[in-house]
Amino acid sequence: SQKIEQNSEALNIQEGKTATLTCNYTNYSPAYLQWYRQDPGRGPVFLLLIRENEKEKRKERLKVTFDTTLKQSLFHITASQPADSATYLCALERNNNDMRFGAGTRLTVKP
Amino acid sequence: EAGVTQFPSHSVIEKGQTVTLRCDPISGHDNLYWYRRVMGKEIKFLLHFVKESKQDESGMPNNRFLAERTGGTYSTLKVQPAELEDSGVYFCASSQAGAQTYEQYFGPGTRLTVT
Repeated sequence: SQKIEQNSEALNIQEGKTATLTCNYTNYSPAYLQWYRQDPGRGPVFLLLIRENEKEKRKERLKVTFDTTLKQSLFHITASQPADSATYLCALERNNNDMRFGAGTRLTVKP
Repeated sequence: EAGVTQFPSHSVIEKGQTVTLRCDPISGHDNLYWYRRVMGKEIKFLLHFVKESKQDESGMPNNRFLAERTGGTYSTLKVQPAELEDSGVYFCASSQAGAQTYEQYFGPGTRLTVT
């Protein structure tokens, strides 16, 4: 069965360090992979989208890689700040519907 | 520009009752999606509308759930009769039309508690 796994439920890092979150999937061939941020009591907010033929995407302090051979995406936040503390979700999509989410990783950046 | 709005923000009902959730997408967005997050689990896709048509409803758990989008604007999701396992947060999202995947804009969610 299709499975999406995010490396851990929670990740704690020190301010200024780089946070690296992992998203692994099995039995799935996504055309797109997206990363979302979710704060408590709010809906997910789109951060980055990467296509299956792209290796890497950057946006300000964010970087996403996508390895379709390893079936893995890495999400990096450089120079992390306490305001980056949130739950980060990866989502896989084959077509323009049926987006499947991982369970999320709760990131805490300590000052 | 207003984002995706959902109503109510929180609903507490008894098992066997009926609840209707409403979602107003961003104006002009043809795609509308419903998702559900049960406590501690991942967000799961329920269904997808393109305008007023159901494009994909493969994620709907059973026939107690009915989604409509009359006129291709707002959408409702009715649960009748509600069961305990229906408790969770129901998210709605919308996106622009087109062949490419566009980012989905999520509403704040409706927290449903069935007692």
